Amino acid sequence: AQSVAQPEDQVNVAEGNPLTVKCTYSVSGNPYLFWYVQYPNRGLQFLLKYITGDNLVKGSYGFEAEFNKSQTSFHLKKPSALVSDSALYFCAVREAGAGSYQLTFGKGTKLSVIP
Amino acid sequence: DGGITQSPKYLFRKEGQNVTLSCEQNLNHDAMYWYRQDPGQGLRLIYYSQIVNDFQKGDIAEGYSVSREKKESFPLTVTSAQKNPTAFYLCASLPLAGGGGKEAFFGQGTRLTVV
Repeated sequence: AQSVAQPEDQVNVAEGNPLTVKCTYSVSGNPYLFWYVQYPNRGLQFLLKYITGDNLVKGSYGFEAEFNKSQTSFHLKKPSALVSDSALYFCAVREAGAGSYQLTFGKGTKLSVIP
Repeated sequence: DGGITQSPKYLFRKEGQNVTLSCEQNLNHDAMYWYRQDPGQGLRLIYYSQIVNDFQKGDIAEGYSVSREKKESFPLTVTSAQKNPTAFYLCASLPLAGGGGKEAFFGQGTRLTVV
């Protein structure tokens, strides 16, 4: 079975400081990895994904994430946090080429950027 | 505009009643998903469907039913057998053509409250 762990329920960071939201995953084969953001009472918005190739992927709003196969991690990063980045962030995994399209999410990390 | 539409945005149900949540997409996506979101528990998969007239149970399918009679539509019925149905429900769709690694698109959610 595939799974995603987001070890921090909440991350607080000062505006202008770098931020990291952690994610580790477990799948039988190779992973497709995704980050989504959710604002209150809204659906999820796609930020970025890792499919194959370069381990550092860049996405929307200045976010990036680094895929580390040996540590089975896919941490989300941003060099300089904005107050408007405050939201709930979800990491998700799907097994590549498995013939099943089950998409599994972590429990989410609430990011608070303090002015 | 292409997208995925969930209706209604808010829904109130009396105990013992069945209720159906609507999810429609005009993105020509093959796969569709239903997730339940509770505070602190992230997104949990209820059902998903990769093709018309076929669907698979997710992690928490008990007390729910779905149908996929058309590619565009994937309604979710919350039955009276679901003991704690109050939650935020999210529908998503995913294109399967053109290879793997595509990201899922989400609707804006339906908040169901049992009164």
